[in-house]
Amino acid sequence: DAMVIQNPRYQVTQFGKPVTLSCSQTLNHNVMYWYQQKSSQAPKLLFHYYDKDFNNEADTPDNFQSRRPNTSFCFLDIRSPGLGDAAMYLCATSRAQGMNTEAFFGQGTRLTVV
Amino acid sequence: QKEVEQDPGPLSVPEGAIVSLNCTYSNSAFQYFMWYRQYSRKGPELLMYTYSSGNKEDGRFTAQVDKSSKYISLFIRDSQPSDSATYLCAMRPAAGNKLTFGGGTRVLVKP
Repeated sequence: DAMVIQNPRYQVTQFGKPVTLSCSQTLNHNVMYWYQQKSSQAPKLLFHYYDKDFNNEADTPDNFQSRRPNTSFCFLDIRSPGLGDAAMYLCATSRAQGMNTEAFFGQGTRLTVV
Repeated sequence: QKEVEQDPGPLSVPEGAIVSLNCTYSNSAFQYFMWYRQYSRKGPELLMYTYSSGNKEDGRFTAQVDKSSKYISLFIRDSQPSDSATYLCAMRPAAGNKLTFGGGTRVLVKP
């Protein structure tokens, strides 16, 4: 059973048209992450939530925003997608403390910008 | 210099061989170490998770962590064509939640 679910799996958006990607989890983890992964590259952390506390990476463009309305859901908003934002977007979750703090990933959303 | 270095490969081995993968890192604060397998166009799948130094075995997979050398390894015994994928190492410190990845190694197991 999928524990971290991302929707949609594939998203096509127009240049400059806002788009929202969603992530839900059944693990009740207090940390949720959004990563961007381009072809043949490592995942790049955009930001993460520790409960409701938002932690932005210094080099994440302002074009990327996130919302976490509750423990189970987290959204990635791209306000004005450019061609360079085409990538796989990965959501992950983990516990914050204790021994079992491994991160679990969803299947990703592949974003195409046309 | 990247915080986590990983040879991109590709690493090509015949079926049944042992696959040996490794990462080096520079941040001595890293305490938790993970290995992920990622098939093309899919999300990373957690294979192994270790805390601090030592070995861990799970089926055909063995993970080793040598904190004194800042070096971690993953061994895959009796490799199968289905093991062909990109393998990513990841690590995080005891304090904080940020996971830092290596660049991934492409592995190809030939029948």
